[in-house]
Amino acid sequence: GAVVSQHPSRVICKSGTSVKIECRSLDFQATTMFWYRQFPKQSLMLMATSNEGSKATYEQGVEKDKFLINHASLTLSTLTVTSAHPEDSSFYICSAYVRNTEAFFGQGTRLTVV
Amino acid sequence: AQSVTQLDSQVPVFEEAPVELRCNYSSSVSVYLFWYVQYPNQGLQLLLKYLSGSTLVKGINGFEAEFNKSQTSFHLRKPSVHISDTAEYFCAVSDRNFNKFYFGSGTKLNVKP
Repeated sequence: GAVVSQHPSRVICKSGTSVKIECRSLDFQATTMFWYRQFPKQSLMLMATSNEGSKATYEQGVEKDKFLINHASLTLSTLTVTSAHPEDSSFYICSAYVRNTEAFFGQGTRLTVV
Repeated sequence: AQSVTQLDSQVPVFEEAPVELRCNYSSSVSVYLFWYVQYPNQGLQLLLKYLSGSTLVKGINGFEAEFNKSQTSFHLRKPSVHISDTAEYFCAVSDRNFNKFYFGSGTKLNVKP
């Protein structure tokens, strides 16, 4: 099946710094990518939808200036957590899909802000 | 909009016993249905999906699920579980354009020896 690669798998950063997470579709072109966040012991919550070549659409309650999403090509979307704080510590997962087929999920990134 | 309800947050079961993880959904449009498994500190792995056709769907690792439109349910079953099945299981729905996935709150399956 199709592969979505997410990098890094784990990252620890200091409070106030920014962290970039990459999501790549390795063997297909993804017109749309999704970013999810998973708090401990909770389900995945959709943060934003990223469309290649256009601005991301953020879900209600998600700060677009804090969670910057860039979808520069059909195979790469990035999520940058700006000025990270300990409450941003979470598990972030990206998903990519091609129209009229299924969605494929990355392996996730565990972000710890200290 | 769609929503997913997983009624059981935790399900303890002994090894080799059968198990059923419940999932109910609500939607005003036709949906696709999915079950994913998540092992600790890992991403999601697709177990099975219902897109159309037979309402009984077989997936990987011996799991199966049955789509019941009248009851808006998509329960996951396995006739005999293994220790290695210990993980968290998420039910999800999407519209038929895969525009968004809506996940249930998850069910932790704990298989005991």
